[in-house]
Amino acid sequence: QKEVEQNSGPLSVPEGAIASLNCTYSDRGSQSFFWYRQYSGKSPELIMFIYSNGDKEDGRFTAQLNKASQYVSLLIRDSQPSDSATYLCAVSAGANNLFFGTGTRLTVIP
Amino acid sequence: SAVISQKPSRDICQRGTSLTIQCQVDSQVTMMFWYRQQPGQSLTLIATANQGSEATYESGFVIDKFPISRPNLTFSTLTVSNMSPEDSSIYLCSVEGPVPSQETQYFGPGTRLLVL
Repeated sequence: QKEVEQNSGPLSVPEGAIASLNCTYSDRGSQSFFWYRQYSGKSPELIMFIYSNGDKEDGRFTAQLNKASQYVSLLIRDSQPSDSATYLCAVSAGANNLFFGTGTRLTVIP
Repeated sequence: SAVISQKPSRDICQRGTSLTIQCQVDSQVTMMFWYRQQPGQSLTLIATANQGSEATYESGFVIDKFPISRPNLTFSTLTVSNMSPEDSSIYLCSVEGPVPSQETQYFGPGTRLLVL
């Protein structure tokens, strides 16, 4: 059973702070890692993907991957109220099959 | 990414009835996926639909309850049969990449189903 675990939160951070979202996965064969953002009542939206160990930055978002520790994280710098959403971690070992975590609900307080 | 639409966007149904959800993509894709997201939960894959072959169902989901059609490379339907209140959920279709890779999935807007 492939498992993807996230802290369900809620995680509250003040506006302008760094939000740190964490995800662990059980399948060592996993190759691709994705972060989706889901606003309440909306469908998931892909915001980041990472394949290699290390950091990947895109604007205010940084994804971090450590395959040895089976750990992937998402940092959101200068958090804005519009970042308030549920963030889903998804992991793929190929074969067009994504495994989703339960999501972390983030609230950015103005 | 592909533009994906779903119909209906929401519905309220009586128990024992069936509802067919349509998913339309603006480009040809090989793989389409159907997920369920129950209130406060994450996404659970129901089945994978390839054009020209039978859908592949995940553990806990069966064709009699969730028949799927995939008549061409841009369209799929999911039917929720003989509904009960436990089927109240959001149903999402998704399609594969190709950007950044075929492992990526992009989601439609979802169908919100309430069964009374």
